[in-house]
Amino acid sequence: AQTVTQSQPEMSVQEAETVTLSCTYDTSESDYYLFWYKQPPSRQMILVIRQEAYKQQNATENRFSVNFQKAAKSFSLKISDSQLGDAAMYFCAWMTRTSGSRLTFGEGTQLTVNP
Amino acid sequence: DSGVTQTPKHLITATGQRVTLRCSPRSGDLSVYWYQQSLDQGLQFLIQYYNGEERAKGNILERFSAQQFPDLHSELNLSSLELGDSALYFCASSVGGGTADTQYFGPGTRLTVL
Repeated sequence: AQTVTQSQPEMSVQEAETVTLSCTYDTSESDYYLFWYKQPPSRQMILVIRQEAYKQQNATENRFSVNFQKAAKSFSLKISDSQLGDAAMYFCAWMTRTSGSRLTFGEGTQLTVNP
Repeated sequence: DSGVTQTPKHLITATGQRVTLRCSPRSGDLSVYWYQQSLDQGLQFLIQYYNGEERAKGNILERFSAQQFPDLHSELNLSSLELGDSALYFCASSVGGGTADTQYFGPGTRLTVL
Protein backbone atom coordinates (compact mmCIF):
# COMPACT_ATOMS: atom_id res chain seq x y z
CA ALA A 1 0.00 0.00 0.00
CA GLN A 2 1.14 3.51 -0.73
CA THR A 3 1.71 5.31 2.55
CA VAL A 4 2.83 8.58 4.06
CA THR A 5 4.66 8.49 7.39
CA GLN A 6 5.40 11.28 9.81
CA SER A 7 7.61 9.79 12.49
CA GLN A 8 7.57 12.78 14.85
CA PRO A 9 4.24 13.06 16.69
CA GLU A 10 5.46 16.19 18.48
CA MET A 11 8.18 18.78 17.94
CA SER A 12 9.07 21.99 19.69
CA VAL A 13 11.16 24.98 18.69
CA GLN A 14 12.20 28.27 20.22
CA GLU A 15 10.84 31.41 18.67
CA ALA A 16 13.13 32.71 15.87
CA GLU A 17 14.87 29.32 15.56
CA THR A 18 14.65 26.80 12.73
CA VAL A 19 12.85 23.48 12.86
CA THR A 20 12.54 20.61 10.40
CA LEU A 21 9.56 18.27 10.23
CA SER A 22 10.05 14.88 8.61
CA CYS A 23 7.89 12.99 6.16
CA THR A 24 8.58 9.82 4.22
CA TYR A 25 6.44 8.08 1.68
CA ASP A 26 6.35 4.83 -0.15
CA THR A 27 5.43 4.56 -3.81
CA SER A 28 6.61 2.94 -6.99
CA GLU A 29 5.19 5.74 -9.11
CA SER A 30 7.24 8.52 -10.63
CA ASP A 31 4.49 11.09 -11.08
CA TYR A 32 3.07 12.51 -7.87
CA TYR A 33 2.63 15.68 -5.88
CA LEU A 34 3.55 16.36 -2.28
CA PHE A 35 2.04 18.88 0.11
CA TRP A 36 2.38 20.24 3.60
CA TYR A 37 -0.79 21.47 5.28
CA LYS A 38 -1.00 23.31 8.57
CA GLN A 39 -3.88 22.92 11.02
CA PRO A 40 -3.82 25.55 13.79
CA PRO A 41 -6.10 25.39 16.84
CA SER A 42 -8.89 26.87 14.72
CA ARG A 43 -8.86 23.47 12.90
CA GLN A 44 -8.71 25.13 9.48
CA MET A 45 -6.54 23.21 6.99
CA ILE A 46 -4.13 25.66 5.40
CA LEU A 47 -1.85 24.84 2.48
CA VAL A 48 1.77 25.63 3.37
CA ILE A 49 3.72 24.40 0.37
CA ARG A 50 3.53 22.09 -2.64
CA GLN A 51 6.19 20.10 -4.50
CA GLU A 52 5.91 18.37 -7.86
CA ALA A 53 7.91 15.14 -7.97
CA TYR A 54 9.24 15.89 -11.46
CA LYS A 55 10.84 19.11 -10.27
CA GLN A 56 14.35 18.81 -8.87
CA GLN A 57 14.28 22.25 -7.31
CA ASN A 58 12.98 22.37 -3.76
CA ALA A 59 9.87 24.48 -3.25
CA THR A 60 10.06 27.60 -1.09
CA GLU A 61 7.38 29.86 0.32
CA ASN A 62 8.78 32.69 2.41
CA ARG A 63 10.03 31.10 5.68
CA PHE A 64 8.91 27.64 4.62
CA SER A 65 11.00 25.38 2.42
CA VAL A 66 11.17 21.69 1.66
CA ASN A 67 14.00 19.24 1.30
CA PHE A 68 12.74 16.83 -1.34
CA GLN A 69 14.88 13.71 -1.71
CA LYS A 70 13.16 11.64 -4.38
CA ALA A 71 15.49 8.66 -4.23
CA ALA A 72 15.14 8.47 -0.47
CA LYS A 73 11.38 9.16 -0.69
CA SER A 74 11.71 11.92 1.84
CA PHE A 75 9.89 15.26 1.96
CA SER A 76 10.81 17.35 4.99
CA LEU A 77 9.54 20.82 5.85
CA LYS A 78 11.91 23.46 7.20
CA ILE A 79 10.48 26.44 9.04
CA SER A 80 12.94 29.28 9.49
CA ASP A 81 12.65 32.14 11.99
CA SER A 82 9.81 30.33 13.76
CA GLN A 83 6.96 32.49 14.98
CA LEU A 84 4.33 31.88 17.64
CA GLY A 85 1.72 31.72 14.89
CA ASP A 86 3.48 28.70 13.40
CA ALA A 87 2.28 26.56 16.29
CA ALA A 88 -0.05 23.99 14.74
CA MET A 89 -0.45 20.42 13.60
CA TYR A 90 1.40 19.88 10.35
CA PHE A 91 0.29 17.23 7.88
CA CYS A 92 2.29 15.83 5.02
CA ALA A 93 0.12 14.68 2.13
CA TRP A 94 0.41 13.43 -1.41
CA MET A 95 -1.54 12.50 -4.46
CA THR A 96 -0.54 10.18 -7.28
CA ARG A 97 -1.84 9.34 -10.72
CA THR A 98 -3.24 6.00 -9.60
CA SER A 99 -4.94 7.48 -6.56
CA GLY A 100 -6.68 10.02 -8.73
CA SER A 101 -6.99 13.37 -7.07
CA ARG A 102 -7.49 12.16 -3.53
CA LEU A 103 -5.04 13.38 -0.92
CA THR A 104 -3.48 10.81 1.39
CA PHE A 105 -2.35 12.31 4.67
CA GLY A 106 0.24 11.37 7.23
CA GLU A 107 -0.53 11.18 10.93
CA GLY A 108 0.59 14.72 11.62
CA THR A 109 3.27 16.44 13.72
CA GLN A 110 2.21 18.78 16.51
CA LEU A 111 4.58 21.76 16.53
CA THR A 112 4.94 23.90 19.66
CA VAL A 113 6.71 27.25 19.44
CA ASN A 114 8.19 28.43 22.72
CA PRO A 115 8.60 32.18 23.34
CA ASP B 1 -9.57 32.54 4.22
CA SER B 2 -9.45 29.87 1.49
CA GLY B 3 -12.67 30.98 -0.19
CA VAL B 4 -14.34 27.64 0.53
CA THR B 5 -17.35 27.93 2.82
CA GLN B 6 -19.00 25.23 4.89
CA THR B 7 -22.18 25.27 6.93
CA PRO B 8 -22.97 24.67 9.67
CA LYS B 9 -19.81 25.08 11.74
CA HIS B 10 -21.11 22.81 14.47
CA LEU B 11 -23.79 20.16 14.51
CA ILE B 12 -24.97 18.15 17.48
CA THR B 13 -27.42 15.34 16.91
CA ALA B 14 -28.48 11.97 18.22
CA THR B 15 -27.78 8.45 17.04
CA GLY B 16 -30.03 7.28 14.24
CA GLN B 17 -30.59 10.77 12.89
CA ARG B 18 -29.77 12.21 9.48
CA VAL B 19 -27.85 15.42 8.79
CA THR B 20 -26.76 17.41 5.75
CA LEU B 21 -23.48 19.27 5.49
CA ARG B 22 -23.14 21.99 2.90
CA CYS B 23 -20.11 23.25 0.99
CA SER B 24 -19.58 26.08 -1.48
CA PRO B 25 -16.33 25.88 -3.45
CA ARG B 26 -14.05 28.76 -4.35
CA SER B 27 -15.22 30.85 -7.24
CA GLY B 28 -14.19 29.13 -10.47
CA ASP B 29 -13.45 25.74 -8.90
CA LEU B 30 -15.24 22.79 -10.47
CA SER B 31 -14.16 20.02 -8.10
CA VAL B 32 -15.36 19.43 -4.58
CA TYR B 33 -13.86 16.88 -2.20
CA TRP B 34 -15.08 15.64 1.16
CA TYR B 35 -12.74 14.46 3.91
CA GLN B 36 -13.37 13.13 7.40
CA GLN B 37 -11.01 13.82 10.30
CA SER B 38 -11.48 11.64 13.34
CA LEU B 39 -9.22 10.80 16.26
CA ASP B 40 -8.88 7.12 15.38
CA GLN B 41 -8.85 7.30 11.56
CA GLY B 42 -7.01 10.55 10.95
CA LEU B 43 -7.79 12.47 7.77
CA GLN B 44 -9.53 10.31 5.19
CA PHE B 45 -10.82 11.03 1.72
CA LEU B 46 -14.52 10.30 1.28
CA ILE B 47 -15.62 11.37 -2.18
CA GLN B 48 -14.97 13.79 -5.05
CA TYR B 49 -17.32 15.49 -7.46
CA TYR B 50 -16.29 17.26 -10.62
CA ASN B 51 -18.73 19.58 -12.38
CA GLY B 52 -21.72 17.73 -11.00
CA GLU B 53 -20.54 14.18 -11.50
CA GLU B 54 -18.95 11.76 -9.08
CA ARG B 55 -15.27 11.44 -9.95
CA ALA B 56 -13.71 9.36 -7.19
CA LYS B 57 -14.85 7.51 -4.12
CA GLY B 58 -12.85 6.63 -1.03
CA ASN B 59 -13.78 4.87 2.18
CA ILE B 60 -17.24 6.36 2.28
CA LEU B 61 -19.87 4.40 4.17
CA GLU B 62 -23.07 3.34 2.44
CA ARG B 63 -24.97 5.45 4.99
CA PHE B 64 -23.23 8.50 3.56
CA SER B 65 -24.00 10.10 0.22
CA ALA B 66 -23.11 13.30 -1.55
CA GLN B 67 -24.03 15.33 -4.55
CA GLN B 68 -22.92 18.42 -6.41
CA PHE B 69 -25.53 20.79 -7.74
CA PRO B 70 -25.55 22.85 -10.96
CA ASP B 71 -24.33 25.90 -9.06
CA LEU B 72 -21.41 23.66 -7.95
CA HIS B 73 -22.17 23.67 -4.26
CA SER B 74 -22.11 20.25 -2.68
CA GLU B 75 -23.93 18.50 0.12
CA LEU B 76 -22.82 15.52 2.17
CA ASN B 77 -25.69 13.54 3.66
CA LEU B 78 -25.04 11.34 6.68
CA SER B 79 -27.83 9.03 7.80
CA SER B 80 -28.46 6.47 10.55
CA LEU B 81 -25.78 8.25 12.52
CA GLU B 82 -23.63 6.35 14.97
CA LEU B 83 -21.40 7.58 17.77
CA GLY B 84 -18.37 6.78 15.64
CA ASP B 85 -19.47 9.25 12.98
CA SER B 86 -18.53 12.10 15.29
CA ALA B 87 -15.73 13.90 13.47
CA LEU B 88 -14.65 17.03 11.68
CA TYR B 89 -15.84 16.98 8.07
CA PHE B 90 -13.91 19.04 5.59
CA CYS B 91 -14.82 20.14 2.13
CA ALA B 92 -12.06 21.13 -0.27
CA SER B 93 -12.17 22.48 -3.80
CA SER B 94 -9.87 22.73 -6.78
CA VAL B 95 -9.99 24.25 -10.22
CA GLY B 96 -10.03 20.97 -12.10
CA GLY B 97 -10.28 17.36 -11.10
CA GLY B 98 -6.81 16.13 -11.82
CA THR B 99 -3.78 15.29 -9.76
CA ALA B 100 -2.05 18.54 -10.64
CA ASP B 101 -4.63 20.64 -8.85
CA THR B 102 -4.06 21.98 -5.36
CA GLN B 103 -6.97 21.50 -3.01
CA TYR B 104 -8.08 24.35 -0.75
CA PHE B 105 -9.97 23.45 2.38
CA GLY B 106 -12.98 24.98 4.04
CA PRO B 107 -13.18 25.58 7.80
CA GLY B 108 -14.92 22.25 8.43
CA THR B 109 -18.11 21.14 10.12
CA ARG B 110 -17.77 19.63 13.57
CA LEU B 111 -20.32 16.82 13.94
CA THR B 112 -21.08 15.44 17.37
CA VAL B 113 -23.35 12.41 17.63
CA LEU B 114 -24.72 11.79 21.13
